[in-house]
Amino acid sequence: SQQGEEDPQALSIQEGENATMNCSYKTSINNLQWYRQNSGRGLVHLILIRSNEREKHSGRLRVTLDTSKKSSSLLITASRAADTASYFCATAPNGGGTSYGKLTFGQGTILTVHP
Amino acid sequence: SAVISQKPSRDICQRGTSLTIQCQVDSQVTMMFWYRQQPGQSLTLIATANQGSEATYESGFVIDKFPISRPNLTFSTLTVSNMSPEDSSIYLCSSRGLAGVSETQYFGPGTRLLVL
Repeated sequence: SQQGEEDPQALSIQEGENATMNCSYKTSINNLQWYRQNSGRGLVHLILIRSNEREKHSGRLRVTLDTSKKSSSLLITASRAADTASYFCATAPNGGGTSYGKLTFGQGTILTVHP
Repeated sequence: SAVISQKPSRDICQRGTSLTIQCQVDSQVTMMFWYRQQPGQSLTLIATANQGSEATYESGFVIDKFPISRPNLTFSTLTVSNMSPEDSSIYLCSSRGLAGVSETQYFGPGTRLLVL
């Protein structure tokens, strides 16, 4: 079952603006990963943040994680038309055994960046 | 990072038939997974492909419908059996490296399946 919820479901902005997407989850996690998907293609891995980290940067991406609120946000700065895609968060559970490596995905945010 | 390829990239099939999807990873990985993405939806885990043993299926998915093979550490197949239009989805293969070495999970380009 999907435990992650993302908001907004859809976001429309102009090139150059910042885009912020939020993700909430319900259970204890080992890490949280963000992915991008263009037009129903495969998923491109963007960034991974561990449960003991609060913020991470990669280029124009900034991810925050608040484990007390069970939420994460993805910020894309100075957006470009090429950033238009669906963005998903996915949580990896704590512990090993049968849960090892199983990701639970949020519902995704559809981002449209207008040139 | 792992590079994952899938074949076919897309297919159109008649109901009642079966389709086998292949997944190849460019390096040996511990874990391989199969996900389904129904139209307009997020991803749902179908099963974990275990090397040398039967796949482990998630609730709602059964081996008779989605038989999986994993003959070695770089290759897996997923078969969608006795297809119906409800099976129209994107099927994605995913892999993760060794525990304690890599936590990142990578995905293949997906197989877009349309069942008529």
